[in-house]
Amino acid sequence: GESVGLHLPTLSVQEGDNSIINCAYSNSASDYFIWYKQESGKGPQFIIDIRSNMDKRQGQRVTVLLNKTVKHLSLQIAATQPGDSAVYFCAENMGDNAGNMLTFGGGTRLMVKP
Amino acid sequence: ETGVTQSPTHLIKTRGQQVTLRCSSQSGHNTVSWYQQALGQGPQFIFQYYREEENGRGNFPPRFSGLQFPNYSSELNVNALELDDSALYLCASSPRGSKVQFFGPGTRLTVL
Repeated sequence: GESVGLHLPTLSVQEGDNSIINCAYSNSASDYFIWYKQESGKGPQFIIDIRSNMDKRQGQRVTVLLNKTVKHLSLQIAATQPGDSAVYFCAENMGDNAGNMLTFGGGTRLMVKP
Repeated sequence: ETGVTQSPTHLIKTRGQQVTLRCSSQSGHNTVSWYQQALGQGPQFIFQYYREEENGRGNFPPRFSGLQFPNYSSELNVNALELDDSALYLCASSPRGSKVQFFGPGTRLTVL
């Protein structure tokens, strides 16, 4: 498949460690945020979402934190595994007038060392 | 797997030609969005279809057009292809009343 993210910021972690991927979003009116995982040759895969009326949301091995004051979003992955290696994108939806349009960040490549 | 399918998987065209890409949304999803993803970048929103009508458009010229059919499947048409149109084209579907989008595997378009 094609390569995704040839020149992206890279986070390298040891298998079993926790990973934190950060994202700065652009619009203070955004009220919905999603994290996606994209493996080479595949489309983005939904990981977790959060609405702006929440600060934290937990899923299986993942936690998303939202800081609206500084327009910052983070994805925490617990006990990172080799299968977590991929490019991670945050995306924002800018309120009801934007319909379902998502604006994506530039992405971060996560590399997990065995 | 999301249940969103796209065809073809790969496509090679030359400048000036026209292309049609197809998407079948996940069962029960009535909104379809199209995105363009250039190499090394995040997806860029092209447009969205709801109830067979365009319902939002990103910063793309009119030569990018689309259709949505009664079964919610969709097409993306690009006329007068340019070299910069080379990208991965992604289709995403959403269930009624939800903002979450589930993506298909994409169509890799190469324009020579």
